[in-house]
Amino acid sequence: DVKVTQSSRYLVKRTGEKVFLECVQDMDHENMFWYRQDPGLGLRLIYFSYDVKMKEKGDIPEGYSVSREKKERFSLILESASTNQTSMYLCASSLLDLTSTDTQYFGPGTRLTVL
Amino acid sequence: GDSVTQMEGPVTLSEEAFLTINCTYTATGYPSLFWYVQYPGEGLQLLLKATKADDKGSNKGFEATYRKETTSFHLEKGSVQVSDSAVYFCALSVFDYKLSFGAGTTVTVRA
Repeated sequence: DVKVTQSSRYLVKRTGEKVFLECVQDMDHENMFWYRQDPGLGLRLIYFSYDVKMKEKGDIPEGYSVSREKKERFSLILESASTNQTSMYLCASSLLDLTSTDTQYFGPGTRLTVL
Repeated sequence: GDSVTQMEGPVTLSEEAFLTINCTYTATGYPSLFWYVQYPGEGLQLLLKATKADDKGSNKGFEATYRKETTSFHLEKGSVQVSDSAVYFCALSVFDYKLSFGAGTTVTVRA
C-alpha cells in the first residue's frame, strides 16, 4: 500500500512565523503535490513537483514556497505566516505517467491555524 | 480553464436510501474524471475513475458514467450505509498530472 505521511496533524503558529510542512511518500513516486482545502472551495493546488529539485506553481502559489531535495520528501514553506493561510493542507503523490493521469495518493492532512 | 461543478451539500440520507451527487465539467481536450472520498479525519482516497467517454467507474457499490454529451460524471449508490458518511469530491485532469477539484459534497447517512 502506498503511504503518504505528513509531519503534523495539527499545528498552531503565530503571524509572521516561518512554517515548514513536511510530506514523505514511500512508493518511489515522481510526482508530489501540495493542496490547501477550504470549505466551499474544494482543493486548490499550491505547488507540485515532478522530479527532485523541480517545482512548478499551481493555482495559488502566493505566500508559499517548496523544496524537494530527495525524491520521497516534499516540503511546503510559509515564509511569513498570515491568518489567511489558516487551512487544511494536503500532500499527495503519484507516478509519472506520460499517457494519462495516474491516481494521486493523499496524506491525512495538516490542519494549520495561524493566530 | 478546466473546472468542475458539483452539487452543493450537505446531503442527509437515511440508511438504504439512494444517493446521487451531480458533477459537471468544463474542459479543453478530453479529460479523465475522478471521484475521491474523504472520510472524517482522513485524507482523500480515490473512489473511482473513468478515462474516456461512456466508461463506467465502479467501486464499493458506487458508480459513475462518463457522459461526454452532457459533460457529466454523476456519482450514484443504490443503498447507502452509515459508513458512507464522508465528503465526496469530483475531479478532472487533462493529461498534465494536475487535478482540478469540485467544492466537495458532504454526505451524512443516518441509521
